[in-house]
Amino acid sequence: AQSVSQHNHHVILSEAASLELGCNYSYGGTVNLFWYVQYPGQHLQLLLKYFSGDPLVKGIKGFEAEFIKSKFSFNLRKPSVQWSDTAEYFCAVNAYSSNTGKLIFGQGTTLQVKP
Amino acid sequence: ETGVTQTPRHLVMGMTNKKSLKCEQHLGHNAMYWYKQSAKKPLELMFVYSLEERVENNSVPSRFSPECPNSSHLFLHLHTLQPEDSALYLCASSKPGQGITEAFFGQGTRLTVV
Repeated sequence: AQSVSQHNHHVILSEAASLELGCNYSYGGTVNLFWYVQYPGQHLQLLLKYFSGDPLVKGIKGFEAEFIKSKFSFNLRKPSVQWSDTAEYFCAVNAYSSNTGKLIFGQGTTLQVKP
Repeated sequence: ETGVTQTPRHLVMGMTNKKSLKCEQHLGHNAMYWYKQSAKKPLELMFVYSLEERVENNSVPSRFSPECPNSSHLFLHLHTLQPEDSALYLCASSKPGQGITEAFFGQGTRLTVV
């Protein structure tokens, strides 16, 4: 069965610090990978996604993620965080062989950015 | 606004009540999903509907009963729930199989069982 593991449950940073959130998945086949963000009181929204091609993908608000197939990882990065990045971040995977499009999520990482 | 609308936003129900959650999308998607979001736990996939047919049920108790009358609407019927069922219930939709798209989520229904 597919599973997703996010290493950091709660991260506290000061503004302008760099961010890296870890995500590893377990599935041997081709996958599609996603990072979603949930700002306080808001719906889950897509930050970025990887389907194929360049393993370094860029998303909204200056976020990027790198797919490393050999490590089954899809870590999220941002060079300089802002107070407005305070939110919960979820990594998710979809098995390409699945024709239902279902997503399996990690447990989430709460990011708190101090002004 | 994501194009996926859930009602109600908040619901408090007793353990003997029957209620329904509603989800509506007008994005032209053909797959819809129910997820449960509890504190300190990953989002749990409950049900998957593809082309209005239930294709996945992840060992969800029978007190949760989904219904998908058409490709735009999804319901979750609730009866005799337990306090541990209190959570945020999220609906999502996507259009897999045609260059798999990401899932779009509604804002959720915050359910409290008393």
